[in-house]
Amino acid sequence: DVVMTQSPLSLPVTLGQPASISCRSSQSLVYSDGNTYLNWFQQRPGQSPRRLIYKVSNRDSGVPDRFSGSGSGTEFTLKISRVEAEDFGVYYCMQGTHWPWTFGQGTKVEIK
Amino acid sequence: QVQLVESGGGLVKPGGSLRLSCAASGFTFSDSYMNWVRQAPGKGLQWISYISSSGTSIYYADSVKGRFTISRDYAKNSLYLQMNSLRAEDTAVYYCASSPISSPGSFVYWGQGTLVTVSS
Repeated sequence: DVVMTQSPLSLPVTLGQPASISCRSSQSLVYSDGNTYLNWFQQRPGQSPRRLIYKVSNRDSGVPDRFSGSGSGTEFTLKISRVEAEDFGVYYCMQGTHWPWTFGQGTKVEIK
Repeated sequence: QVQLVESGGGLVKPGGSLRLSCAASGFTFSDSYMNWVRQAPGKGLQWISYISSSGTSIYYADSVKGRFTISRDYAKNSLYLQMNSLRAEDTAVYYCASSPISSPGSFVYWGQGTLVTVSS
């Protein structure tokens, strides 16, 4: 199975400051069709997950542009340019290239 | 708008069975991949099963293979998960998650989840 490793697992952030989460996969996430199926999800307390980013860097409709995704191959990053109160929660990377699809352990973004 | 509504969760004894349902609306069910994803209390997310838009391709996580069966009913726009030989470690919130065929390898829409508790 592809192991997705996120860091850090806990990220204290001050409102208005940037935040960055790293996600590393144990093998390349480039699929045979040339796409890289790396996604980022946000889960606020008590809520279902919500997709923010798909195929590494594509933002979903309604996702603020302070969220951005980057990376390639086995190294990926989610960045929040300026953290707002509504951004606190747990963030997961997830790969949909290799079966079984796998998630990272989650990174808890919390108020500093 | 898109809605995925899970039902069928509850308390079951180890070794017992349960059938989860997910009612889909607001999108073209037959043009969507469907999945079950679970989350144990206080833990992270785990994908457990996938069924293609046509129903011809099915995948399971090793942890549930041979015990769980995914299926879909196009007439009822519904997804199911038959869970047999349940274990304590199957205790989790089970989410139904879908993605249009234009967005493979992902989960675009999520339900609110249904809690399954396996305990004697």
